[in-house]
Amino acid sequence: QSVLTQPPSLSGAPGQRVTISCTGSSSNIGAGFDVQWYQQLPGTVPKLLIYGNINRPSGVPDRFSASKSGTSASLAITGLQGEDEAEYYCRSYDSSLRASIFGGGTKVTVL
Amino acid sequence: QVQLQESGPGLVKPSETLSLTCTVSGGSISPYYWSWIRQPPGKGLEWIGYVYYSGTTNYSPSLKSRVTISVDTSKNQFSLRLRSVTAADTAVYYCARDRYYDSNPPLGLDSWGQGTLVTVSS
Repeated sequence: QSVLTQPPSLSGAPGQRVTISCTGSSSNIGAGFDVQWYQQLPGTVPKLLIYGNINRPSGVPDRFSASKSGTSASLAITGLQGEDEAEYYCRSYDSSLRASIFGGGTKVTVL
Repeated sequence: QVQLQESGPGLVKPSETLSLTCTVSGGSISPYYWSWIRQPPGKGLEWIGYVYYSGTTNYSPSLKSRVTISVDTSKNQFSLRLRSVTAADTAVYYCARDRYYDSNPPLGLDSWGQGTLVTVSS
């Protein structure tokens, strides 16, 4: 059981919008620790998608956006494309564990 | 762009020690944090721990009793040792540069190695 909770799977048709939630607690996201999001395409290395809660590294399409509120964060993919079919992970820091933590991951399927 | 490469045995016997090295090229190991992350087959990512270029370390509580991460700045390398392994330690092990702790806003794991599969089996 991950400290950060993500839905195991989501799906959407091409062009649609999907939103992935990452629910934490008062010792991690709710304590103000920043959230990152990683994309792992099938059979590949995870890639940094979002940092500092809302920021995209250069090269990441603006179809990807993120937000944070209270003890949760979310990643939105608008205009879903086939190439977005991947596993997505959130990551933050937990002050009780004094450690970095990952969410369990969400598999996004493009229908 | 910095590049990372994991190396080490792909097969380790139960109860023995898993040892991996990550070689950093295209940039200096200083003054950054460097993390190890693992991913069991078909499962999610698990952060193992980090080492700062100065040698300071921090480990996941769930692995802390069995893990040692060290750095060798002269070789631009850092290493992972995981003792008393079991089949549950079978995973792809990744090394990565960790900009979560030294940048504002925290950047995260911005450069990754290709990963190496370590199987624990007799």
